[in-house]
Amino acid sequence: EIVLTQSPGTLSLSPGERATLSCRPSPSVGSHYLGWYQQKPGQAPRLLVYGATSRAPGIPDRFSGGVSETDFTLTITRLEPEDFAVYYCQQFGTSPYTFGQGTRLEIK
Amino acid sequence: EVHLVESGGGLVQPGRSLRLSCVASGFNFDDHAMHWVRQAPGKDLEWVSGIAWNNVIIGYADSVKGRFTISRDNTKNSIYLQMNSLRLEDTAFYFCGKALVGPTTPLDSWGQGTLVAVSS
Repeated sequence: EIVLTQSPGTLSLSPGERATLSCRPSPSVGSHYLGWYQQKPGQAPRLLVYGATSRAPGIPDRFSGGVSETDFTLTITRLEPEDFAVYYCQQFGTSPYTFGQGTRLEIK
Repeated sequence: EVHLVESGGGLVQPGRSLRLSCVASGFNFDDHAMHWVRQAPGKDLEWVSGIAWNNVIIGYADSVKGRFTISRDNTKNSIYLQMNSLRLEDTAFYFCGKALVGPTTPLDSWGQGTLVAVSS
């Protein structure tokens, strides 16, 4: 099974700041098969990014996905109050389609 | 607008069975893979199982393999999750999700979930 390790576990920032979240797969996974979700309390997750870098329909352009040699990243520029939530990455290239353990983005 | 509505959750004793249903509307159901994802209260998301448009099963999480069975009925725009030999650790909200397109695409729409509570 592919294990996705997200970091940091918790990120404390202020509105207007930039957030960078990381997701490291082991073993590696193709960038086509990596997505990012946002989940707020009491709600179902919402797809933000798919194929590592493509924004889902209706997602603001302050959300962007990136790829480095070893990691996938989700960057949120200019944090808005509604962005404070839990973020999960998921790989859907190899069954079982695992999720990371999540990064909680909280208001500082 | 896409709608996914789960049902069938409830309180059940360990070892018993439960069948979840998810009815979909607002899109061409038989063009999309579908999935079940669960989340224990206060815990992280766990992918449970997925099924392609043509009934090919994508797979199961190791934690449910051999106990849970996913199926779909394209004539009823529905997917199902038959859960047997339920354990305490199966307690969770179970979400139905629609894949963007094929079996290797992410979930772009989700239901609101149905709660399964396994307790003696």
